[in-house]
Amino acid sequence: DTAVSQTPKYLVTQMGNDKSIKCEQNLGHDTMYWYKQDSKKFLKIMFSYNNKELIINETVPNRFSPKSPDKAHLNLHINSLELGDSAVYFCASSRPGPLNTEAFFGQGTRLTVV
Amino acid sequence: QQQVKQSPQSLIVQKGGISIINCAYENTAFDYFPWYQQFPGKGPALLIAIRPDVSEKKEGRFTISFNKSAKQFSLHIMDSQPGDSATYFCAVSWANQAGTALIFGKGTTLSVSS
Repeated sequence: DTAVSQTPKYLVTQMGNDKSIKCEQNLGHDTMYWYKQDSKKFLKIMFSYNNKELIINETVPNRFSPKSPDKAHLNLHINSLELGDSAVYFCASSRPGPLNTEAFFGQGTRLTVV
Repeated sequence: QQQVKQSPQSLIVQKGGISIINCAYENTAFDYFPWYQQFPGKGPALLIAIRPDVSEKKEGRFTISFNKSAKQFSLHIMDSQPGDSATYFCAVSWANQAGTALIFGKGTTLSVSS
């Protein structure tokens, strides 16, 4: 029973296309995130949502637009894909608070733009 | 400005040896210091975490040592095993702020040779 699930796991697409990555968590967490892991394995936060409200929007091109239809879902839509967008994108969730701040990550979506 | 500096970038340890990975941070307001473990093709998973009110935390073969005055913390893996071969990330965060994301170090690739 997967806690944080992302689809698809692999995504190969051409430059200029628009694509979406879906994320769902069944942990009952209030907070969800999108992280980007580059080719050097560096993990960086892109967005965070708490109770469907955008909390963090790092310096990410506005071609990236997160959408949270409810607390259990956080999707990532990317317009006009560029070669530099190739990376692994991780969705994560956590329950904020003093006793439990563990972030649970999905398996990742490897995006390759050709 | 890199808020978390992790070293070494890669580490090779003999089976049964001790693996030590170090992290240094800048902002004294951080109050949550986790270590995440990532295997190839998987998302990061929490290994062990510490709060600034203690100097050491041990879970099985894994120990975090925390030096608040030096703004440093380290992960020690005792009796390292081939199954420990993975990428390890230190991170910092604020525990009580909803939507706060993890700020990761650049990762250490550990290889345990048998």
